[in-house]
Amino acid sequence: GAGVSQSPRYKVAKRGQDVALRCDPISGHVSLFWYQQALGQGPEFLTYFQNEAQLDKSGLPSDRFFAERPEGSVSTLKIQRTQQEDSAVYLCASSPLRADTQYFGPGTRLTVL
Amino acid sequence: DQQVKQNSPSLSVQEGRISILNCDYTNSMFDYFLWYKKYPAEGPTFLISISSIKDKNEDGRFTVFLNKSAKHLSLHIVPSQPGDSAVYFCAASARSNFGNEKLTFGTGTRLTIIP
Repeated sequence: GAGVSQSPRYKVAKRGQDVALRCDPISGHVSLFWYQQALGQGPEFLTYFQNEAQLDKSGLPSDRFFAERPEGSVSTLKIQRTQQEDSAVYLCASSPLRADTQYFGPGTRLTVL
Repeated sequence: DQQVKQNSPSLSVQEGRISILNCDYTNSMFDYFLWYKKYPAEGPTFLISISSIKDKNEDGRFTVFLNKSAKHLSLHIVPSQPGDSAVYFCAASARSNFGNEKLTFGTGTRLTIIP
């Protein structure tokens, strides 16, 4: 079956631009996670949704970062006024509730010039 | 504060031999541990996991060992194959944190299998 998909796969933005990154989770998965992976580092947690409810946004680095999942399926991570330090791969993962593992998408590589 | 540590950035192993990847953690609340494998330009792929109530879990060529008192886990791959060349991430979660099994990752170990 179809896995987690993310779009775009690559995004180049000028400093100060707003960007929107999309995640299509596996159909029926209740839980959805966003992670940020800087170069040479492991993924770091950003935020968590259970259906449409954002239960944890403790990992969002600043108020420029905003995530939503209005209908409990597709999710969008928005970054306003991008900065160079936002350059990273943004990974989305989904799972059934309280599952043993999370299934990751291929990520969106964001480069801010 | 790195709660999950992989102290070896890279490891090279001859094909057919055993690969051992190590991981240490500091947070006592972690009760579930996973290993993910990552190829370039792809997302992490789940490999194997272990609950804190066990000290060993085996799946084919892959075995994970957990030493709770030392807060240490390791992944054994035997025999190693060229297709095992990838970056391996250790991850941990606190499943008692109901409804949010967010993962805390290490920085990864790049495994290279030499033919």
